[in-house]
Amino acid sequence: EAQVTQNPRYLITVTGKKLTVTCSQNMNHEYMSWYRQDPGLGLRQIYYSMNVEVTDKGDVPEGYKVSRKEKRNFPLILESPSPNQTSLYFCASSLSGQGRGYEQYFGPGTRLTVT
Amino acid sequence: AQTVTQSQPEMSVQEAETVTLSCTYDTSENNYYLFWYKQPPSRQMILVIRQEAYKQQNATENRFSVNFQKAAKSFSLKISDSQLGDTAMYFCAFMNYGGSQGNLIFGKGTKLSVKP
Repeated sequence: EAQVTQNPRYLITVTGKKLTVTCSQNMNHEYMSWYRQDPGLGLRQIYYSMNVEVTDKGDVPEGYKVSRKEKRNFPLILESPSPNQTSLYFCASSLSGQGRGYEQYFGPGTRLTVT
Repeated sequence: AQTVTQSQPEMSVQEAETVTLSCTYDTSENNYYLFWYKQPPSRQMILVIRQEAYKQQNATENRFSVNFQKAAKSFSLKISDSQLGDTAMYFCAFMNYGGSQGNLIFGKGTKLSVKP
């Protein structure tokens, strides 16, 4: 089954404790992206990757890191989480990020709470 | 910068009725894509319908259709014969054509409740 998976689905952590949210897709997609969803704000892009070893900042990258060493995986790293990073996070992938309107497939979301 | 506005934070409709969700956007580009995504209580983001700006014909997917007014920069979603399973948050989203970021710009969402 074609899908985007994220782990963990739920995470409660404390301020400053490094964490990684994994994202994996099995569709051989070139493009992957991370979004955060906050009430009343919709979804906002954090980082994206056009292909292996190619990553760039989205609209709200502060406090996050990413890497793309393999085509299928795109982990999101929070080196020193803070309470304002409490949010619902989505990983997404698509065939290409070249603005051709390809459908983005979303993972199930990760609910992160930072206390 | 592009922006997407959904002016209806919440709406409700009776089962089997028709409802229209509004979306306006602002862009100086001529070619782009517009999307409606559905987010049910499970939180999964599901693509409902997609429209290419260069196509004048409005997109349709079963009970879902759009009214795309390019000059007015309006992109509304009509749901016919509403079903209980349509209860969800609906997000309108914009993507530039040819951009290298592949970024979806989302509106803030409309919470739709379908009542029995």
